[in-house]
Amino acid sequence: GAGVSQSPSNKVTEKGKDVELRCDPISGHTALYWYRQSLGQGLEFLIYFQGNSAPDKSGLPSDRFSAERTGGSVSTLTIQRTQQEDSAVYLCASSLAAPSGGTYEQYFGPGTRLTVT
Amino acid sequence: KNQVEQSPQSLIILEGKNCTLQCNYTVSPFSNLRWYKQDTGRGPVSLTIMTFSENTKSNGRYTATLDADTKQSSLHITASQLSDSASYICVVSAKNTGFQKLVFGTGTRLLVSP
Repeated sequence: GAGVSQSPSNKVTEKGKDVELRCDPISGHTALYWYRQSLGQGLEFLIYFQGNSAPDKSGLPSDRFSAERTGGSVSTLTIQRTQQEDSAVYLCASSLAAPSGGTYEQYFGPGTRLTVT
Repeated sequence: KNQVEQSPQSLIILEGKNCTLQCNYTVSPFSNLRWYKQDTGRGPVSLTIMTFSENTKSNGRYTATLDADTKQSSLHITASQLSDSASYICVVSAKNTGFQKLVFGTGTRLLVSP
């Protein structure tokens, strides 16, 4: 079946503009995660959704960042008033099992490369 | 602070040779350790997942080991192929209440040359 998809694949925006990044998880996956990968850095956790609720949003770097998930499926990550330090690859992942028990496999999308000029 | 450190940062080997990548972690409480392969411009793909009680796991030419006492793991690649050129990321899951948060290393960039 189809994997995790993300759009757009690349986004160039001017400093101060708002951007929306989209993630389509694997059908039936209840958990969804957003990560950020900056140049030379490891993946950084941003937020986790179980269904439509976000039990853990501790990784969001500032109140300019927000995310929502509707219908237990598609998620959007919104960055308001973008800054140059927001430039990174934003990766989305989904998993089948609820993460509170046992090991679970996270399947990653290809990411959205965001460049803020 | 939960951390995952990998070495070497980058590695070049000849096609057909073997190599071993290292991972040290300080994540606690430990839940499981994973190795991912990330091709350029793609998302990471899982190679292995090991829990506390597992000390080795194989996936084809990839073999991961785990020493939970010393908090070290290695990924051994046998008979390397050009397609093995990628970043290999060590990821440790911390067991928190209700949520296993993943802590990522910065990866080892492997180049397999002909």
